[in-house]
Amino acid sequence: ETGVTQTPRHLVMGMTNKKSLKCEQHLGHNAMYWYKQSAKKPLELMFVYSLEERVENNSVPSRFSPECPNSSHLFLHLHTLQPEDSALYLCASSQDGGTEQFFGPGTRLTVL
Amino acid sequence: GQNIDQPTEMTATEGAIVQINCTYQTSGFNGLFWYQQHAGEAPTFLSYNVLDGLEEKGRFSSFLSRSKGYSYLLLKELQMKDSASYLCAVRDLRNDYKLSFGAGTTVTVRA
Repeated sequence: ETGVTQTPRHLVMGMTNKKSLKCEQHLGHNAMYWYKQSAKKPLELMFVYSLEERVENNSVPSRFSPECPNSSHLFLHLHTLQPEDSALYLCASSQDGGTEQFFGPGTRLTVL
Repeated sequence: GQNIDQPTEMTATEGAIVQINCTYQTSGFNGLFWYQQHAGEAPTFLSYNVLDGLEEKGRFSSFLSRSKGYSYLLLKELQMKDSASYLCAVRDLRNDYKLSFGAGTTVTVRA
């Protein structure tokens, strides 16, 4: 595997379900990000981890819970989501904060 | 905070030139990125400007004027594969990790 991978690519869940999104980067970077992309809206930064410590939490509801067990893996745990949470969730990584970010292909989430 | 504006859609003919403008109003500026995103795919990095002026990279060029809060991405010799969304993003002065994105400009290239 190369670059940034995300699984699953598509997810449909009910409002009472619990699921997790997984991201893995194979670039040796030390920072990882979660973004939300809704149709016709700007990419919204959700969380940033640097060296496995959270350095940014952009006022995200607690029904989204990130986890970064090491510098290569990032998870987003989902529970009790709302239909308006349906979106494309993108993971990205970078070496430090000032350089370009490399994005994964995203998970298309639909909440019923 | 950041307020970033770019046109929603643009259409151009194969072989032509298109200029995508991005204006920003920020509480702190530390560089501007352009990304390309094809439908259903990940955004990919195109360019980065932190100083005023033009950066050229093959058929793509990016310009920045910090005093005017303005950037543009210039696509020359358009090809069908250039049909995509182009995202302007500003880096926060107080937090290197924080990028604020515009809503993106969808460019359609017609034969």
